[in-house]
Amino acid sequence: QKEVEQNSGPLSVPEGAIASLNCTYSDRVSQSFFWYRQYSGKSPELIMSIYSNGDKEDGRFTAQLNKASQYVSLLIRDSQPSDSATYLCSSVGTASKLTFGTGTRLQVTL
Amino acid sequence: EAGVVQSPRYKIIEKKQPVAFWCNPISGHNTLYWYLQNLGQGPELLIRYENEEAVDDSQLPKDRFSAERLKGVDSTLKIQPAELGDSAVYLCASSFGGPNTEAFFGQGTRLTVV
Repeated sequence: QKEVEQNSGPLSVPEGAIASLNCTYSDRVSQSFFWYRQYSGKSPELIMSIYSNGDKEDGRFTAQLNKASQYVSLLIRDSQPSDSATYLCSSVGTASKLTFGTGTRLQVTL
Repeated sequence: EAGVVQSPRYKIIEKKQPVAFWCNPISGHNTLYWYLQNLGQGPELLIRYENEEAVDDSQLPKDRFSAERLKGVDSTLKIQPAELGDSAVYLCASSFGGPNTEAFFGQGTRLTVV
């Protein structure tokens, strides 16, 4: 079992819709969670961090964390074609190791 | 404020040759990471430094890979000798305040071993 699991996609949503990206993690020790966006051929860019159960909103982005279910999600409201990218979920678990999932590819269609 | 700076951006070498990558983290960031990313995969940790100390190098293939972070600022990652399977993007990241704080990535070095 991978420490951080994501559906590879592609997830296709129409422009203006809400994109929902999901992630599960196996290490119950994990306390810190980060979402990164990665455009093709570019390096990962930090979007959101979340440390506590519940929702955290930043502009069009909302991160959700449920430690009991070991589940993290990222919602993107009013999706734009420029949001088309791979979204990487990551967590800091045992031995303070920052581990990444394989990423979910998002396609926002016109 | 400058971000994480890596060089070179691209490198093509023949197998069995040595190669080195350089990283300068964001000023004041005491935590530095080297990651490897293969196409279609997430970044995989090679080594993490807290200041000049390598605190997690459990996934660094020590028979051919080495890293250093002298003076706790910039860092180099070396491969000697390179193998075909080492072709990947090598990413450097840094954070202020340890691994539970936000990490920022450099542009990466794309290595091709032929």
